[in-house]
Parts: sequence; C-alpha cells; structure tokens
Amino acid sequence: EPEVTQTPSHQVTQMGQEVILRCVPISNHLYFYWYRQILGQKVEFLVSFYNNEISEKSEIFDDQFSVERPDGSNFTLKIRSTKLEDSAMYFCASSSGTVGEQFFGPGTRLTVL
Amino acid sequence: SQQGEEDPQALSIQEGENATMNCSYKTSINNLQWYRQNSGRGLVHLILIRSNEREKHSGRLRVTLDTSKKSSSLLITASRAADTASYFCATDASIQGAQKLVFGQGTRLTINP
Repeated sequence: EPEVTQTPSHQVTQMGQEVILRCVPISNHLYFYWYRQILGQKVEFLVSFYNNEISEKSEIFDDQFSVERPDGSNFTLKIRSTKLEDSAMYFCASSSGTVGEQFFGPGTRLTVL
Repeated sequence: SQQGEEDPQALSIQEGENATMNCSYKTSINNLQWYRQNSGRGLVHLILIRSNEREKHSGRLRVTLDTSKKSSSLLITASRAADTASYFCATDASIQGAQKLVFGQGTRLTINP
C-alpha cells in the first residue's frame, strides 16, 4: 500500500541553524501539506501546496519557513534560523484531491537546543 | 476561529465496552474527519463524513454529524486493547484549493484488558 515517507525521523539542531525536513508524498497525489504538533498539543496546519505553489498558509508559516518541490517526488520544509519553540513533530501529508482523506507520514521530530 | 474540540480529554474503559468521543466545532464545514494517533506516531485516517451526511459506519466505527449543533461523535464498539490511542477530529472548511484541516485537542483513549 502506498504511503507517505519522511526523513529524518529525528533531527537535532542548534538554535539559529537551518533545517530541511523531507517528505515523499504518495506518487499520484497532487496536494501536499505540512502540519506540526508541539508535544502535548494539537496538530496545527502550516501550509498546503498545489501546482508548485503555496495554496494556503497559516499564521505560523512566516518568513522563517519555506516549502519546495525540488523534483517529481520530494516535498521539503525548510526552517531558517531555528528557535527553541520550533521543537515539535512535523508531519507531511498528501491527498489526491481537494476533498477527502489526507495521508500522513510518520513525522519528523525536530529538537532545537 | 474554526476549531474542533473533543471531549472527554481522556477516557479509560474495559476491553469489550463501547467508547464514545465527541467533537464540537464553530464554523460551517465541508466535511469532518476522524484520525487516530498512536503514541509518538503519525496520524491514521479513520473515517470522513460529509456535511450533508448524518451518520456513517466503518467496521466497528460509527460517526454521527449534527451540523445544527456543530458536533460529531465517534463510537467504537467492542473495544480492543489495540484501540488504545489518541483520537482527533479534524474539520475542513476550505473554500477553494487544497484542504486545510483544523484539528481538535484529541481524546486519549485507554482500553484496559
């Protein structure tokens, strides 16, 4: 069964450093998403992406964040100048259409020291 | 702002019993989805109910939706130890383009053997 994959599973970085979180969505999906979950809190929407551009972004997704689909398979989230409060689980998701199930990856746990 | 809120926050029952979790939201929606999350893992889609549907079944799962009360419930019948997880409702009220799921705080369900 096709699935969304994410790498790395755990990323530790120093405050101020840049990180790139990688995702491989399901191959025939057209819509891609990033969410985050701070420990013990709810899952929060960050950004949606379609047709090589951002479809919608949340207030969290400020200039510190960017997304890219560098090739036909990867979908990346870049966080510049990381802060302690960026520590969270980051989930990638994809869907085939605008309505229906989103398929989530296993997440990347980001720890900023 | 649109928000899914679950109650109870935590629920502990004996194996074999039924578990009911509730979700409330604030704005009009296109659909409402329920997801499960095992500790430290990704989100698994359980069921989607559209705004024009009132009830939906999938195996041991039964979901109801009352748009007049802006609420939904998830019933798991004949619970099993493997059902132990956190359960989240997520609402989609996107007007166009890709979905933007808004998750609730979740219900932590524990099934005691």
